[in-house]
Amino acid sequence: DADVTQTPRNRITKTGKRIMLECSQTKGHDRMYWYRQDPGLGLRLIYYSFDVKDINKGEISDGYSVSRQAQAKFSLSLESAIPNQTALYFCATSPRGGDTEAFFGQGTRLTVV
Amino acid sequence: QKEVEQNSGPLSVPEGAIASLNCTYSDRVSQSFFWYRQYSGKSPELIMSIYSNGDKEDGRFTAQLNKASQYVSLLIRDSQPSDSATYLCALGPNAGKSTFGDGTTLTVKP
Repeated sequence: DADVTQTPRNRITKTGKRIMLECSQTKGHDRMYWYRQDPGLGLRLIYYSFDVKDINKGEISDGYSVSRQAQAKFSLSLESAIPNQTALYFCATSPRGGDTEAFFGQGTRLTVV
Repeated sequence: QKEVEQNSGPLSVPEGAIASLNCTYSDRVSQSFFWYRQYSGKSPELIMSIYSNGDKEDGRFTAQLNKASQYVSLLIRDSQPSDSATYLCALGPNAGKSTFGDGTTLTVKP
């Protein structure tokens, strides 16, 4: 089983619908992140959380919200989906402190029609 | 100016050749640097990390860091078709956040 699990893996939704992407981890890391990836644009940070009570906006948070339900769970919501939110979404984790790499989930491919 | 700039691709090399991927950055505070490999539609996976000036070798991969020039590179020796992927350069974390480049797509032709 993957250490960082995202559900669903693929989702097609209609414009205006609310959708939630979920992420759970078994790595015991405090820090969790949501990234969006569009073709040719690398990874852009949407939201990040350093613990259950610490949630921060990233560079492209408009139109998104998050919830850190527990140390191991971090969900991303699109309140009213729009077509330009069609992208590949990744959850990632990293341990507290130190200069370590990020560990990624398998990704969720979201299509808004 | 982006915080992390990678050489524009796509990059194509013949099998067995050396592939050279380059990255420059603007944040002088960064102390850690990472190279991730990402196959199409898959998640990024770490292949190299480097923290000190100089070279770091791991198998066919060598990362090179020059903090004075704000430059980090990845060399892949004896390139294989299985190395065909997008390579992401990342700085971080700064205040807990990593910064990623847009990636360079490498194709290794048999």
